[in-house]
Amino acid sequence: QKEVEQNSGPLSVPEGAIASLNCTYSDRGSQSFFWYRQYSGKSPELIMSIYSNGDKEDGRFTAQLNKASQYVSLLIRDSQPSDSATYLCAARNTGGFKTIFGAGTRLFVKA
Amino acid sequence: DAGVTQSPTHLIKTRGQQVTLRCSPKSGHDTVSWYQQALGQGPQFIFQYYEEEERQRGNFPDRFSGHQFPNYSSELNVNALLLGDSALYLCASSSGGVTYEQYFGPGTRLTVT
Repeated sequence: QKEVEQNSGPLSVPEGAIASLNCTYSDRGSQSFFWYRQYSGKSPELIMSIYSNGDKEDGRFTAQLNKASQYVSLLIRDSQPSDSATYLCAARNTGGFKTIFGAGTRLFVKA
Repeated sequence: DAGVTQSPTHLIKTRGQQVTLRCSPKSGHDTVSWYQQALGQGPQFIFQYYEEEERQRGNFPDRFSGHQFPNYSSELNVNALLLGDSALYLCASSSGGVTYEQYFGPGTRLTVT
């Protein structure tokens, strides 16, 4: 069973701190990776996609990918209370059309 | 630029009944994927439609079926509803190209009693 694993949390950080969210995947054929944010009662919203090893930055968000370790992370700098949500990690393999999601990590940013 | 739309927003059905959920993809997108999300879980892939054909299917029984129309909109049908089918049903659209970035609609909350 190909899986994406995340720490369910909750992860609690103070406002202004860096939040670090982690994800591992079991399928070495995975080539595309995505981070979604999901507020309670809402649908997932795409934050970042990453396809190559290394870092990818977009505003306060940085995604990191290490294919050798089968590890993906998301850093949120200057965390705000509005960042409080569940963050979903997802992976898709080359030639496949199925995206596998982790169960999500709940993040709380305390004002 | 219209995003992904889904209807209805909420639905209550009785065990054994059938339900049809609808999705219109984001403008410029031609691929529609359906997901089931139970409370506290990540979305689970049901199937994907491209060029009016089911391109890949997840681990769901044949009670779950779908269709894609020439205008790229899609339907998800679930027959013989079970209590365990109660969930948030999400439609995601993407283009058939390499990046496969998917954008989700607001979802349909299905409750089976």
